[in-house]
Amino acid sequence: EAGVAQSPRYKIIEKRQSVAFWCNPISGHATLYWYQQILGQGPKLLIQFQNNGVVDDSQLPKDRFSAERLKGVDSTLKIQPAKLEDSAVYLCASSGWAQGADSGNTIYFGEGSWLTVV
Amino acid sequence: AQSVTQLDSHVSVSEGTPVLLRCNYSSSYSPSLFWYVQHPNKGLQLLLKYTSAATLVKGINGFEAEFKKSETSFHLTKPSAHMSDAAEYFCVVSQNTGNQFYFGTGTSLTVIP
Repeated sequence: EAGVAQSPRYKIIEKRQSVAFWCNPISGHATLYWYQQILGQGPKLLIQFQNNGVVDDSQLPKDRFSAERLKGVDSTLKIQPAKLEDSAVYLCASSGWAQGADSGNTIYFGEGSWLTVV
Repeated sequence: AQSVTQLDSHVSVSEGTPVLLRCNYSSSYSPSLFWYVQHPNKGLQLLLKYTSAATLVKGINGFEAEFKKSETSFHLTKPSAHMSDAAEYFCVVSQNTGNQFYFGTGTSLTVIP
């Protein structure tokens, strides 16, 4: 089973420029998450989608961050304009329900997109 | 409300000695509990999970965790640390029937040769 795919893996941009990150979740997973992880800290939820609807975007800085999941599969996270404090890893994750002995909902992460704003 | 407290921000052990990473949770519902590991420059990898089956859960790389409802704990253990275990570890709680996940602040594990 393919995991969560993210691109690009690394990006360096100047402040005030824009950047976009792409995520393809695990096939069949209805819930998709974007997290921001600043060096030395735990992941912070930016936005959660259920299919193509937003469940939680309370911590998304909406003046500069936007995200969409138009067809309920792939998602894009955009930052415009970027600030120095946006330097972080952007983790995409998806969750799905398993049956049987391994039942329950589990969240799976991609490798992350590393953003440096200079 | 659900939350997770990782009691140690940093743990150091010698190679070959036991590892104990502590996690306490708070949950209004029957919880699912997880441990994830994050190696440098990598994403989070699932180590193990508890979802109301056996209270002693075995994961990958020799790790295991025991769910103790009376103590609201889900501590991660390994009998013998290996250099490759050096990483950041996150304890995560979720409502057993939900799709919202709550993260601890992480424990950095250092393994001394």
